[in-house]
Amino acid sequence: DTEVTQTPKHLVMGMTNKKSLKCEQHMGHRAMYWYKQKAKKPPELMFVYSYEKLSINESVPSRFSPECPNSSLLNLHLHALQPEDSALYLCASSQPGLAGGDTQYFGPGTRLTVL
Amino acid sequence: EDQVTQSPEALRLQEGESSSLNCSYTVSGLRGLFWYRQDPGKGPEFLFTLYSAGEEKEKERLKATLTKKESFLHITAPKPEDSATYLCAVQGPSGSARQLTFGSGTQLTVLP
Repeated sequence: DTEVTQTPKHLVMGMTNKKSLKCEQHMGHRAMYWYKQKAKKPPELMFVYSYEKLSINESVPSRFSPECPNSSLLNLHLHALQPEDSALYLCASSQPGLAGGDTQYFGPGTRLTVL
Repeated sequence: EDQVTQSPEALRLQEGESSSLNCSYTVSGLRGLFWYRQDPGKGPEFLFTLYSAGEEKEKERLKATLTKKESFLHITAPKPEDSATYLCAVQGPSGSARQLTFGSGTQLTVLP
């Protein structure tokens, strides 16, 4: 099974709200990712967790706060977002390999609208 | 810096009309090249991983090939349900970074 689940599917929030996006995988993968995707653009990497430790933060504003409670779960906490943060937020996971690239499997995404 | 260029940006085919999508890449030591299919408003769906030049993989009407400079996604006798954006990505020798560099995608439309 190569399934990554994300909740919620859709989220509308005001600029003063606090909300969280959730991601879960049960493939035993030890790397998990958050991406942001704007319309007609490829996904942009935001954060990478490797063995539950944050290994990459692509200069993402502090209004986005990732959390990896355990090896199966990944959260993205949102606070004081701007309208330009409206996008499709994608979670992915992979199993780090000793050699060769590790395939990332993506979830269905959360469509976020910031009013 | 890793770079990926996909062409064409958009492609319209008649049902049954075979064609190929191109992914040209520049990376200092390829660890993997990945093809994904993405439907509007959904997450990318994994299709293939290729690791070394000369490698080929097939799945239904799709066949992916890899050379040292580019990859092709061949679509044989496409159907309307093959309409989607096809994304190519590469992973370079970045150790534990696991970063993918994506191309801009090819938007494929298959007309009945």
